[in-house]
Amino acid sequence: DQQVKQNSPSLSVQEGRISILNCDYTNSMFDYFLWYKKYPAEGPTFLISISSIKDKNEDGRFTVFLNKSAKHLSLHIVPSQPGDSAVYFCAASAVRGNEKLTFGTGTRLTIIP
Amino acid sequence: KAGVTQTPRYLIKTRGQQVTLSCSPISGHRSVSWYQQTPGQGLQFLFEYFSETQRNKGNFPGRFSGRQFSNSRSEMNVSTLELGDSALYLCASSLSWTGIGETQYFGPGTRLLVL
Repeated sequence: DQQVKQNSPSLSVQEGRISILNCDYTNSMFDYFLWYKKYPAEGPTFLISISSIKDKNEDGRFTVFLNKSAKHLSLHIVPSQPGDSAVYFCAASAVRGNEKLTFGTGTRLTIIP
Repeated sequence: KAGVTQTPRYLIKTRGQQVTLSCSPISGHRSVSWYQQTPGQGLQFLFEYFSETQRNKGNFPGRFSGRQFSNSRSEMNVSTLELGDSALYLCASSLSWTGIGETQYFGPGTRLLVL
């Protein structure tokens, strides 16, 4: 049972435009969410996180939005740059519950110059 | 500060063999988690160790085991290897246990191929 879902395996975006990556979750106990970026042959790199007490968190070009009622989060990258081409994983954990991170299957983002 | 290191980076084994993977966390980090990454399943949690104790375990068979040493270094062992164990095994460290929302920092992974 995939508790964290990234339904788009791939996404292509023109350089300079906005990239929007989506993630849905089913476990209502999740209260902490993270996005990771992964280049080939490297481990995932932490990008940005959000706690369930917030609905938005911004860090430079990266903004994460959380819609608790829809059990949906999204990562916005604006403007998109060629170096953003990577696989993006969203992850969730239940701090008060099982605690371990549950990851989505990833979305491959390709930025077209 | 040095990042998370994993050894070996690549490994080829045959079915039925066992394998031990090693992870050295970032200096000062006391929590180490292990993940398996496969193309179809994404990143799946194996287990987490904090202060030499297993705090969490994912849904993997008992062939997968781990341990953590007093210097926070961790090893993961897979016995009786199966073809389906071929994957990238990632180790991640954090200052404390991830239950309080600690950010994890990943190593480059060990690519295991089982023939």
